[in-house]
Amino acid sequence: AQKVTQAQTEISVVEKEDVTLDCVYETRDTTYYLFWYKQPPSGELVFLIRRNSFDEQNEISGRYSWNFQKSTSSFNFTITASQVVDSAVYFCALSEARRQAGTALIFGKGTTLSVSS
Amino acid sequence: KAGVTQTPRYLIKTRGQQVTLSCSPISGHRSVSWYQQTPGQGLQFLFEYFSETQRNKGNFPGRFSGRQFSNSRSEMNVSTLELGDSALYLCASSLGQEDNEQFFGPGTRLTVL
Repeated sequence: AQKVTQAQTEISVVEKEDVTLDCVYETRDTTYYLFWYKQPPSGELVFLIRRNSFDEQNEISGRYSWNFQKSTSSFNFTITASQVVDSAVYFCALSEARRQAGTALIFGKGTTLSVSS
Repeated sequence: KAGVTQTPRYLIKTRGQQVTLSCSPISGHRSVSWYQQTPGQGLQFLFEYFSETQRNKGNFPGRFSGRQFSNSRSEMNVSTLELGDSALYLCASSLGQEDNEQFFGPGTRLTVL
């Protein structure tokens, strides 16, 4: 069975601190895709990144970086020098890659990040 | 390019009623997926439609159904509403491949009294 676990329910930091959001996944597929989404208070999920199971290169986008490690089935997300605007709920998600499986996303429970000034 | 739109944004119904939610995907997207978000269960996949056919379905009772039209717009219907159906219903559109990012709409907040 496929599963995504975000063990951190809530994290509170002060502006300019670095913060890492953990994501651990389970799947029997050899080909799969991992995603991170951000949900601000407005409610709309915003796509942040996609990774396929064959690409373990870390990625950096501005203050955001992602660390994908197949050996530990983890896909962690780090925000450097956090800002108040980063306050949101962050979701890690997994999708299968079997033909005709469609695009169903399996989400973790989410991590609520609060950044105070 | 217009994003995913969902109507209505808010809805209040009573137990036993039925409700229809609508989703208009991004132009050119043929896949529409529906998700239910509740504080207890989090985000759960309901079903996906691609080219007017249901391609994938989550573990929800038959009271939850949907359809997709030839212009890719999709509707979701919930019959015989229960209190537990109160949730944020999110619609997502994509090109339809499993590695495509899904673009989400603002959601419909359904409250069942």
